[in-house]
Amino acid sequence: GESVGLHLPTLSVQEGDNSIINCAYSNSASDYFIWYKQESGKGPQFIIDIRSNMDKRQGQRVTVLLNKTVKHLSLQIAATQPGDSAVYFCAENRGGNKLTFGGGTRVLVKP
Amino acid sequence: GAVVSQHPSWVICKSGTSVKIECRSLDFQATTMFWYRQFPKQSLMLMATSNEGSKATYEQGVEKDKFLINHASLTLSTLTVTSAHPEDSSFYICSARDNREGIYEQYFGPGTRLTVT
Repeated sequence: GESVGLHLPTLSVQEGDNSIINCAYSNSASDYFIWYKQESGKGPQFIIDIRSNMDKRQGQRVTVLLNKTVKHLSLQIAATQPGDSAVYFCAENRGGNKLTFGGGTRVLVKP
Repeated sequence: GAVVSQHPSWVICKSGTSVKIECRSLDFQATTMFWYRQFPKQSLMLMATSNEGSKATYEQGVEKDKFLINHASLTLSTLTVTSAHPEDSSFYICSARDNREGIYEQYFGPGTRLTVT
């Protein structure tokens, strides 16, 4: 199902530290997962994706980990910067290229 | 890179009027586009799948007669909010999937802020 909530969980992180954002997904048949970054008043921006036949994928300063056993996805951001402050959403492809978005996590980077 | 645009970026309309929002893929063709709605501090909720040359498919609970979708070309989908009411005020976001084989990514537009007074 879709996640709906009135309050976004917030992760406060010191500039330069690493950030870890977690996400639980619902459909064990989902074969493709994506992390998006959304800044205020803008559309989601693709960060990194991973297919279900992988358990780890790395990008520039970001790593996505997939644990299919417990249906858990995480995004690690290395050396977090002020520009990383945003809301982060995980999404799962539940078939027909339809994406189901998680509830989102707000990341606040403290200088 | 792949770019999706939306027009307008924001619109204010009176209750009872209709509003049309455009979604365009600028440098790729998209047989399939998606429309989402996002309320403040909430996640994106898929409203419908827009298919070029055929009828849109709507998610459960979304009124197809209220949210009219037209996908007349491979680069343009429109969402018309008919007889808008204040509860329709929201951030509407579209995404487009590249037609090319092997491309799984969806590209999102910048969103349209609709305020119904």
